[in-house]
Amino acid sequence: SYELTQPPSVSVSPGQTARITCSGDALPKKYSYWYQQKSGQAPLLVIYEDTKRPSEIPERFSGSNSGTMATLTISAAQVEDEADYYCYSTDSSGYHKLFGGGTKLTVL
Amino acid sequence: QAQLQESGPGLVKPSETLSLTCTVSDYFITSGYYWGWVRQPPGKGLEWIGSIYHDGSTYYSSSFKSRVTISVDTSKNQFSLQLSSMTAADTAVYYCAKDGGYGDFRDNWFDPWGQGTLVTVSS
Repeated sequence: SYELTQPPSVSVSPGQTARITCSGDALPKKYSYWYQQKSGQAPLLVIYEDTKRPSEIPERFSGSNSGTMATLTISAAQVEDEADYYCYSTDSSGYHKLFGGGTKLTVL
Repeated sequence: QAQLQESGPGLVKPSETLSLTCTVSDYFITSGYYWGWVRQPPGKGLEWIGSIYHDGSTYYSSSFKSRVTISVDTSKNQFSLQLSSMTAADTAVYYCAKDGGYGDFRDNWFDPWGQGTLVTVSS
């Protein structure tokens, strides 16, 4: 079955750039999306359609999609960005929705 | 934008059927978009269960297709999840969310989400 693969963890110091990847065979044809989930909270959309950012999300969050890999980049990461991040997309048919396994971002 | 709130029992016995309801406010379900359910077992990742349109059209994940039913009540601006034959593996936080975008189900994404409700399966 189709999968989206993320690294389990990423760690950066405050002010550094954090990059979280998501790989999947259908990503060349399907958009990627990214969610931030802080402890005890519901997921929050931070990137949609590969590169677009909701108006309430800080500009330091950006996304890209190249071939079979999508990347969430957090420039000048802040302690408040510590969270689990999930990529989301669909299989090539579009009818099976799935999330990556999640990446725990540590900023300290 | 729409606001969503899950409701239902926090404890379900093994083999029983889970019933959850999502109440949507600040947006009429009949105005469009799909509406979906996603769950998250403790300490684990997110898993799509299924989605419904206001006309009752549904899409289900193959992982749940044999035991899931999602329905909609437009008069109450609610949609519901039923998951049968519950086991301990179904213990999770269950979220409802707007499954929207530009109209085509295949191009939609989940936003916003309800706060989630923890369902524990135990005798």
